[in-house]
Amino acid sequence: GAVVSQHPSRVICKSGTSVKIECRSLDFQATTMFWYRQFPKQSLMLMATSNEGSKATYEQGVEKDKFLINHASLTLSTLTVTSAHPEDSSFYICSATPAGAVYNEQFFGPGTRLTVL
Amino acid sequence: KNQVEQSPQSLIILEGKNCTLQCNYTVSPFSNLRWYKQDTGRGPVSLTIMTFSENTKSNGRYTATLDADTKQSSLHITASQLSDSASYICVVSEGNTPLVFGKGTRLSVIA
Repeated sequence: GAVVSQHPSRVICKSGTSVKIECRSLDFQATTMFWYRQFPKQSLMLMATSNEGSKATYEQGVEKDKFLINHASLTLSTLTVTSAHPEDSSFYICSATPAGAVYNEQFFGPGTRLTVL
Repeated sequence: KNQVEQSPQSLIILEGKNCTLQCNYTVSPFSNLRWYKQDTGRGPVSLTIMTFSENTKSNGRYTATLDADTKQSSLHITASQLSDSASYICVVSEGNTPLVFGKGTRLSVIA
């Protein structure tokens, strides 16, 4: 149980284009979903927290107009990187917390490798 | 500033050997501490979660310990296997606030 999927697993795009990444909780309803970014040999950095039906809360330094988050249902959240640039190339990981989870445990997706040329 | 420090940064061991990874934290207040395994290019997978009242917790060949007084935790891996090669991340939670991640220890198990 508690499986989180991400799509796509890898994406390569040209600078200036927008990329959408999906995060789905496959066997549970997620009241809260989180988006992280991870650079090589670095720890996960929280970008934003989203609750179903409300606006996402962004961490300091994360541009909300560049990283659009939509948490349209209890099983789906999307991250859109708008006008992507090479410095946005990174490993993006989502996580989800099931409703009523003990210790607010987060289950992580497999990640999406974004490469911006 | 809430921090989680892990050591060593990287470790190479022979298959079948044991190893222990360390985690020191300054996060306060403290709710729980988690150890995750992250394979290269994959998302983290939970190994153990411990609250302040728990001193040790095992998950197969993985045993985590916690000393809430000294704010230290360790992850012991017994009889290592090649598939144990991964990054091991210590994560501390204050409760409902964002998790605080360590940078991880990169473990390589060689034949």
